[in-house]
Amino acid sequence: GAGVSQSPSNKVTEKGKDVELRCDPISGHTALYWYRQSLGQGLEFLIYFQGNSAPDKSGLPSDRFSAERTGGSVSTLTIQRTQQEDSAVYLCASSLTRANEKLFFGSGTQLSVL
Amino acid sequence: SQQGEEDPQALSIQEGENATMNCSYKTSINNLQWYRQNSGRGLVHLILIRSNEREKHSGRLRVTLDTSKKSSSLLITASRAADTASYFCATALYGNKLVFGAGTILRVKS
Repeated sequence: GAGVSQSPSNKVTEKGKDVELRCDPISGHTALYWYRQSLGQGLEFLIYFQGNSAPDKSGLPSDRFSAERTGGSVSTLTIQRTQQEDSAVYLCASSLTRANEKLFFGSGTQLSVL
Repeated sequence: SQQGEEDPQALSIQEGENATMNCSYKTSINNLQWYRQNSGRGLVHLILIRSNEREKHSGRLRVTLDTSKKSSSLLITASRAADTASYFCATALYGNKLVFGAGTILRVKS
């Protein structure tokens, strides 16, 4: 596709369930980010992938959060045993080369944990 | 804590007026970027200014960077109702990730 695609756009789940959020970056982009945004707040960095380098996981809030990027393309963010405080919009972004250049964002996944 | 912090948190102006938003940061940076967000979903890149640049223009946008004061400003001239959005600065540390501030909510009244 022409842009960054995220799915699902909305996800409602029950506390304690696991969820998987998917991100398809722009083809050829080597850097991929995950951010989280709570209502009315700024973007909280979670993790980024740069080519074949080890990902920077320094922003993951707990060990319930994990992410992988297969084949240098699609990425999945997994949240295990979801809690109500995990409710937020999860945003994925990619950039062509290095992680600190212009980012292209997807429309996000609104996660609601009941 | 956030690397970049925007000021003011919220700004309300009349259509046709100029809007100025400021961003302060804490450490040396490679570049600073401004993004716009409508309706709380995906962000759109507006402009990137590198650490060796002092001013940059793009249409009605003017960005300045003062590395000695570790601050940047975004000026939107002749604002329009369609400029209503949240605006974020993001700082890129050398060899490291892009970190966003808390944002400024701009409302342009028609």
